[in-house]
Amino acid sequence: AQTVTQSQPEMSVQEAETVTLSCTYDTSENNYYLFWYKQPPSRQMILVIRQEAYKQQNATENRFSVNFQKAAKSFSLKISDSQLGDTAMYFCAFMKHPPGGGNKLTFGTGTQLKVEL
Amino acid sequence: GAVVSQHPSWVICKSGTSVKIECRSLDFQATTMFWYRQFPKQSLMLMATSNEGSKATYEQGVEKDKFLINHASLTLSTLTVTSAHPEDSSFYICSAPTSGSGYEQYFGPGTRLTVT
Repeated sequence: AQTVTQSQPEMSVQEAETVTLSCTYDTSENNYYLFWYKQPPSRQMILVIRQEAYKQQNATENRFSVNFQKAAKSFSLKISDSQLGDTAMYFCAFMKHPPGGGNKLTFGTGTQLKVEL
Repeated sequence: GAVVSQHPSWVICKSGTSVKIECRSLDFQATTMFWYRQFPKQSLMLMATSNEGSKATYEQGVEKDKFLINHASLTLSTLTVTSAHPEDSSFYICSAPTSGSGYEQYFGPGTRLTVT
């Protein structure tokens, strides 16, 4: 079974600064996907960024980028130029490459990020 | 992107009654949908996988007779909490995966259930 660990329950960052959220996972699979989801106060889950394990290049989506270290089983999220709207709970998630695993997501415990003025 | 809706967004029911929550994929077909439960400030806990045309698959520890799941069509899954009790009060979220690149899952906005 897969496990996903987020060791930072809470973090805060000043507006316009950069912050990095940590995530480690444990799996014996070779092909899988990793995701970062954000859950703002509205509680709507929103996909932030996705990484395919077979791709060595780190994924980037505007101000969001990841540092994917497959051998270390590490998948951190970097948010640049933090904005107040980035305040949310961030979840790291793992999924086996379909069809194995049935598209199931395994979530970490989350990191509550607060962006301050 | 794809849209998943849930109805109702908030429901209050009395202890002992049943309540049904709907999850719809609005612009894509979903042969599989997932139901999660989330307590305040905690992560999402997968309850079950809803399969169109067949029985749902429940995660270990989830009472299938209490949480009835029906995947009536390729765009609708329902979760019925039977004989609800205050401990069933929670936030329930559904999701549906797409078959496109990245197998992204789209989440419904959630349903807050309060049992009095």
